[in-house]
Amino acid sequence: GIQVEQSPPDLILQEGANSTLRCNFSDSVNNLQWFHQNPWGQLINLFYIPSGTKQNGRLSATTVATERYSLLYISSSQTTDSGVYFCAGFSSGSARQLTFGSGTQLTVLP
Amino acid sequence: DGGITQSPKYLFRKEGQNVTLSCEQNLNHDAMYWYRQDPGQGLRLIYYSQIVNDFQKGDIAEGYSVSREKKESFPLTVTSAQKNPTAFYLCASSGQGPEQYFGPGTRLTVT
Repeated sequence: GIQVEQSPPDLILQEGANSTLRCNFSDSVNNLQWFHQNPWGQLINLFYIPSGTKQNGRLSATTVATERYSLLYISSSQTTDSGVYFCAGFSSGSARQLTFGSGTQLTVLP
Repeated sequence: DGGITQSPKYLFRKEGQNVTLSCEQNLNHDAMYWYRQDPGQGLRLIYYSQIVNDFQKGDIAEGYSVSREKKESFPLTVTSAQKNPTAFYLCASSGQGPEQYFGPGTRLTVT
């Protein structure tokens, strides 16, 4: 079956610090999305990134498909970055089904 | 504004009652999805629909039912057969590509 594993499960940072979140995925995953879930529960799209590197402001993501991992970088973190970060993989057998990891809970302290 | 709306935001029901959660999108997306989230966990797929009048079970479909009579609407019914219905329910849609976009969610509490 599809496996998506995230680390670390929890991360506490001081405002202004940088961080790296990791997502490992199994062979049956061929595409990846990163999300941020804010404290109100809204899931916000960050990146759709099957391979390569993308950047959006202070956030960037890199997926190395051949080694089955993806990294999310947050630079100069702000308190509004707090929340849960999920990666989710699309099954190569059914391109529409997403399987979520268990998330990384990020807390940015002022 | 284009987007996905879910209503209500909070829903309270007594055990044994069926309840229907609404999901509407005006993005002209063909595919729609329902997920369940329990505290401290990731999302799990309940049902999905790739086209009007067609839908498939996800990983945890037991105790749920859906319909897809219109492209923009994909309501989810939580039946009395669902053993642990209290959860956060999220609806999503996707267009030509697989990237999924989520609504704000409905928090269901059954007592």
